[in-house]
Amino acid sequence: ETGVTQSPTHLIKTRGQQVTLRCSSQSGHNTVSWYQQALGQGPQFIFQYYREEENGRGNFPPRFSGLQFPNYSSELNVNALELDDSALYLCASSLDGGAQFHGYTFGSGTRLTVV
Amino acid sequence: AQSVTQPDIHITVSEGASLELRCNYSYGATPYLFWYVQSPGQGLQLLLKYFSGDTLVQGIKGFEAEFKRSQSSFNLRKPSVHWSDAAEYFCAVGSYGGSQGNLIFGKGTKLSVKP
Repeated sequence: ETGVTQSPTHLIKTRGQQVTLRCSSQSGHNTVSWYQQALGQGPQFIFQYYREEENGRGNFPPRFSGLQFPNYSSELNVNALELDDSALYLCASSLDGGAQFHGYTFGSGTRLTVV
Repeated sequence: AQSVTQPDIHITVSEGASLELRCNYSYGATPYLFWYVQSPGQGLQLLLKYFSGDTLVQGIKGFEAEFKRSQSSFNLRKPSVHWSDAAEYFCAVGSYGGSQGNLIFGKGTKLSVKP
């Protein structure tokens, strides 16, 4: 059973640029959620995708967008990067959106630094 | 809104000593509760979860947690800490989606272990 894999592991971008982060969910999981973890903070919910549709969104601006593909892998896109976007971005998968009952399987994250 | 509070930002214990990490939650219904651990630069690993039944739950790596409804608490304990337990620990409550997502995390407690 493979876990959640994320790429790249580290990334440095310039303010104003765009970035795409990728995630492969755990085998058998059809729901992917993205969290932003700023330094010294707990993870904050960005959005969730279930069967290729957005299924919940946190308090993040529209320049944060996502996709889920038929194989349940996912992308997080961030446009017009700001310095405050520097964080660890965590992808988490679950089955049928049931993370509130069973918890998530998390990837190791992508460390994004905006300069 | 639901919330999770971890009152201790940083705790240092000696190797072999006992450990208790505190977690308080605010949730309107019967909560689903989780503890996750995060090693430096890594994603989150599920230690244990509670959703019903026995209020003392056992997890991996020798950890246990006790749910106390009257105190809205879900404290994590370990009888004897090992140096490899040094990490950051996050308490989370399961939520029925919405803008806060499926899991609402506390800000974490960093555990340091003295030799």
